[in-house]
Amino acid sequence: AQTVTQSQPEMSVQEAETVTLSCTYDTSESNYYLFWYKQPPSRQMILVIRQEAYKQQNATENRFSVNFQKAAKSFSLKISDSQLGDTAMYFCAFMKGGTSYGKLTFGQGTILTVHP
Amino acid sequence: KAGVTQTPRYLIKTRGQQVTLSCSPISGHRSVSWYQQTPGQGLQFLFEYFSETQRNKGNFPGRFSGRQFSNSRSEMNVSTLELGDSALYLCASSLGFQQPYEQYFGPGTRLTVT
Repeated sequence: AQTVTQSQPEMSVQEAETVTLSCTYDTSESNYYLFWYKQPPSRQMILVIRQEAYKQQNATENRFSVNFQKAAKSFSLKISDSQLGDTAMYFCAFMKGGTSYGKLTFGQGTILTVHP
Repeated sequence: KAGVTQTPRYLIKTRGQQVTLSCSPISGHRSVSWYQQTPGQGLQFLFEYFSETQRNKGNFPGRFSGRQFSNSRSEMNVSTLELGDSALYLCASSLGFQQPYEQYFGPGTRLTVT
């Protein structure tokens, strides 16, 4: 079974600064995908960024980027130029390739607060 | 495109009753997954349906069941409700036939069992 661990229950950052959220996972699979989801106080879960395990290049999406360390089984999210709208719960999630058929395994989440 | 919709948004039920929640996926999406979110257990996978067939199932008791219709809309049912079933139930849709099955979530149904 796969496990996902987010060791930072809460984090805070000043507007315009950079923050990094940590995530580690445990799996024996070689084919898998990793995701970061954002859940603002309104509760709608939004996909932030995705990383395929077979890709060495770290994914980026505007102000969001990941540091994917496959050997260390680490998948951190960096948010640059933080904005007030980034305030949310962030979840790291794992999906096995092949026949996982839409099953995401989530970490416990990190509450990020961006202060003006 | 319209996003994933879930109805109802809020529900209050009494222990022992049953409940049915509904999820309409994004147009063109054929897969619907269901998750339970609680403060204690976090987000847990319930099951996934594709083309009216359950393809994957999490570790929940048989009181939790689901189905999918030919238009890809999905329902989940919880029978004999327990206090511990109080949670936010999220559904997510994806194309379902192309990895990595990128999922788009609905706003959730908040179920309170008293």
